[in-house]
Amino acid sequence: KAGVTQTPRYLIKTRGQQVTLSCSPISGHRSVSWYQQTPGQGLQFLFEYFSETQRNKGNFPGRFSGRQFSNSRSEMNVSTLELGDSALYLCASRTGGDTDYGYTFGSGTRLTVV
Amino acid sequence: AQSVTQPDIHITVSEGASLELRCNYSYGATPYLFWYVQSPGQGLQLLLKYFSGDTLVQGIKGFEAEFKRSQSSFNLRKPSVHWSDAAEYFCAVGGYNTDKLIFGTGTRLQVFP
Repeated sequence: KAGVTQTPRYLIKTRGQQVTLSCSPISGHRSVSWYQQTPGQGLQFLFEYFSETQRNKGNFPGRFSGRQFSNSRSEMNVSTLELGDSALYLCASRTGGDTDYGYTFGSGTRLTVV
Repeated sequence: AQSVTQPDIHITVSEGASLELRCNYSYGATPYLFWYVQSPGQGLQLLLKYFSGDTLVQGIKGFEAEFKRSQSSFNLRKPSVHWSDAAEYFCAVGGYNTDKLIFGTGTRLQVFP
């Protein structure tokens, strides 16, 4: 069974640009969440999606957005990049059932803003 | 406020020694508790989880954790550490009907031969 796939693995962008990160969940998983990991702030929740609906959003500015498609694949977008957006962005998925908790994480996308 | 505290930033043990990583949480509802491990440059791997029932849970790689409601703790243990266990360990808390996990700051484990 394939795991959670995140693309690209590494990305270098210039301040002011925008970026789109992609996440393909495990087959059959309908719930996808995104986290930002930085040395200073640790792991912080960005948003969660279930069946194409955003169910929860973390405390991030509106420059951070996301969406989920009908096949459960998800994308997150960051506009007007700032140096502080440099981080490892992790996507995680689970089936979404009430008795199945414990996300499976992807390997992440390492974003560097210069 | 919801939070997770991992008081040990860095722990060093000898291979074969026992290990205990501490985790304390603050959560308003019934907590769902998790331990994840992260190797450098990699994502997070779930070691074990607790939702309800037996307060001692077994996980992968020989790890176990004990939920103590009275102490708001969920400490991770392993009787004999292997060099391959060197990594960063994260404790996290979540709840029913929310997929938002709150993570601790992590404990970096170093293993000496």
